[in-house]
Amino acid sequence: GAVVSQHPSWVICKSGTSVKIECRSLDFQATTMFWYRQFPKQSLMLMATSNEGSKATYEQGVEKDKFLINHASLTLSTLTVTSAHPEDSSFYICSARDSQWGTQYFGPGTRLTVL
Amino acid sequence: AQTVTQSQPEMSVQEAETVTLSCTYDTSENNYYLFWYKQPPSRQMILVIRQEAYKQQNATENRFSVNFQKAAKSFSLKISDSQLGDTAMYFCAFMKFVGNTPLVFGKGTRLSVIA
Repeated sequence: GAVVSQHPSWVICKSGTSVKIECRSLDFQATTMFWYRQFPKQSLMLMATSNEGSKATYEQGVEKDKFLINHASLTLSTLTVTSAHPEDSSFYICSARDSQWGTQYFGPGTRLTVL
Repeated sequence: AQTVTQSQPEMSVQEAETVTLSCTYDTSENNYYLFWYKQPPSRQMILVIRQEAYKQQNATENRFSVNFQKAAKSFSLKISDSQLGDTAMYFCAFMKFVGNTPLVFGKGTRLSVIA
């Protein structure tokens, strides 16, 4: 099946620093990628939809300036958490939609801990 | 707006037995996709099965099959010969056929397979 990689798998940082998370579709092209946040024992919460070559569309309540998303190619999207604070600690999951078949595949997630 | 409802927060099943997870959805669309995803303790989201609404035949993938009732807007997942590795959170999801709209997830059903 299709594979989506996500890096890093976990990161610990100090409050006020920025963290970049990479998401790659390894064997298919993804015009559209999605970023989610997941709290313990809850469903996935969509943060933003990113289309290759254009600006991301953010969900209501998600700060655009804090969560910077770049989708520069058909296989790579990045999420940068700027000036991270402890409340940004969470599990972040990226997802890539196969442009040909429409099926969405997920990365393994990144656990962010902000001290 | 579309909604997806999973009415069973938790379920358990004995190993080798069969279990059915329920999912209902609400939409005014005629063409769409439905998915079941599995999230084991590793938290990696894994596609279990996919159904196109225009197909009358229910999708099957080895031990996993669905009962798709379009008129009733119901999309249940049947797991046969349950295995310990099936223990996971299961999410039902809806996606419009046209456009790059995000998946709409249910809240999930936590399935425990008991030896």
